[in-house]
Amino acid sequence: AQTVTQSQPEMSVQEAETVTLSCTYDTSESNYYLFWYKQPPSRQMILVIRQEAYKQQNATENRFSVNFQKAAKSFSLKISDSQLGDTAMYFCALRASARQLTFGSGTQLTVLP
Amino acid sequence: EAQVTQNPRYLITVTGKKLTVTCSQNMNHEYMSWYRQDPGLGLRQIYYSMNVEVTDKGDVPEGYKVSRKEKRNFPLILESPSPNQTSLYFCASSFRDRAYNEQFFGPGTRLTVL
Repeated sequence: AQTVTQSQPEMSVQEAETVTLSCTYDTSESNYYLFWYKQPPSRQMILVIRQEAYKQQNATENRFSVNFQKAAKSFSLKISDSQLGDTAMYFCALRASARQLTFGSGTQLTVLP
Repeated sequence: EAQVTQNPRYLITVTGKKLTVTCSQNMNHEYMSWYRQDPGLGLRQIYYSMNVEVTDKGDVPEGYKVSRKEKRNFPLILESPSPNQTSLYFCASSFRDRAYNEQFFGPGTRLTVL
């Protein structure tokens, strides 16, 4: 079984500041993939960034980057230069096989003007 | 446009009245899946399908049925809905060859069972 834990139900950040969302996971698989999804008020699920466990280099997509600590089973998301449009629910997810994508409980991020 | 569509987007029904939520994708994906989203629980997988005529249970399959007769369609059936199935439902699809593949999500169906 695989689990994903997000311990911060809500967070807020001032516009233009940097914020980090935490995620820990557990799996017995040796190779797996980690994802961060964004869900704005429209409810659409949008892929933000993904990381392959075998790659040591942290993934980066524009203002979004991750801190992947494989030994600690930690996968945090850093958002730089926060914008009002970043206000959303953020889900961390783990996929060890093509069969199943396991989500955390989510972190509601509010960017304050 | 590549997309996953779901219908209806909103549905209010009563306990015990059978309903079907349709899901269709136009990306020729082998893998399709249904999730339900509840506050504080994130998204949980209900059923998934690796290809036509191949379906399997996810984490919360009780009270649901699915079928995969065509590659593009993966309907979710609630034969006797109950209030605890009130939730936000998402359909998703992807290519099945690697777990790295991005899952594309539909717009969601908000279901209320009275």
